[in-house]
Amino acid sequence: DIQMTQSPSTLSASVGDRVTITCRASQSIVGWLAWYQQKPGKAPNLLISKASNLESGVPSRFSGSGSGTEFTLTISGLQPDDFATYYCQQYNSSPLTFGGGTKVEIK
Amino acid sequence: QVQLVQSGAEVAKPGASVKVSCKASGYTFTSYDINWVRQATGQGPEWMGWMNPNSGNSGYAQKFQGRVTMTSNTSMSTAYMELSSLRSEDTAVYYCARRRSGIPFDSWGQGTLVTVSS
Repeated sequence: DIQMTQSPSTLSASVGDRVTITCRASQSIVGWLAWYQQKPGKAPNLLISKASNLESGVPSRFSGSGSGTEFTLTISGLQPDDFATYYCQQYNSSPLTFGGGTKVEIK
Repeated sequence: QVQLVQSGAEVAKPGASVKVSCKASGYTFTSYDINWVRQATGQGPEWMGWMNPNSGNSGYAQKFQGRVTMTSNTSMSTAYMELSSLRSEDTAVYYCARRRSGIPFDSWGQGTLVTVSS
């Protein structure tokens, strides 16, 4: 199974900050990586597919990059609505696996 | 718009089975796989498996092999996930999500809380 490791697990930031979350895969997943945002009591919401493709309706302050085994999600100019937990997920091969999550908290 | 609407919360005893439904609307049901993902409180999501409503084919994570069955009724645009031999560790929110090749989970159900308790 491909292990997905996210860091940090928790991130404290202020409105307007630029934040970066890292996701590492235990083996190459090429670019088959997705990022999700999840708020308490809700299902995850797809933000980015194929490492860097922003989903329709997702604000442009979100961006993704990377390939192979190392990926990043960047939020440029954190907004109050962005305080949530973020997960990466590889869909290169079965079983599909998720990272452990990064909780973005208000500083 | 695309919607996946799941059945309500369940309470089950250890050793019993539970069956969760997921009704799709707003798209052609047979054009996407339905996947099932669960999430225990405070944990990350865990993928359980997939099924293709068009072919009836399915594939399960090894952890759930022998205990999970994923099916669908195309006339009702509804997918089902049945988990048997329940134990306390199966207490979680269970989500259905649609997917097709090259695309991750782009639409999710609202989740169904399954509580396993004696």
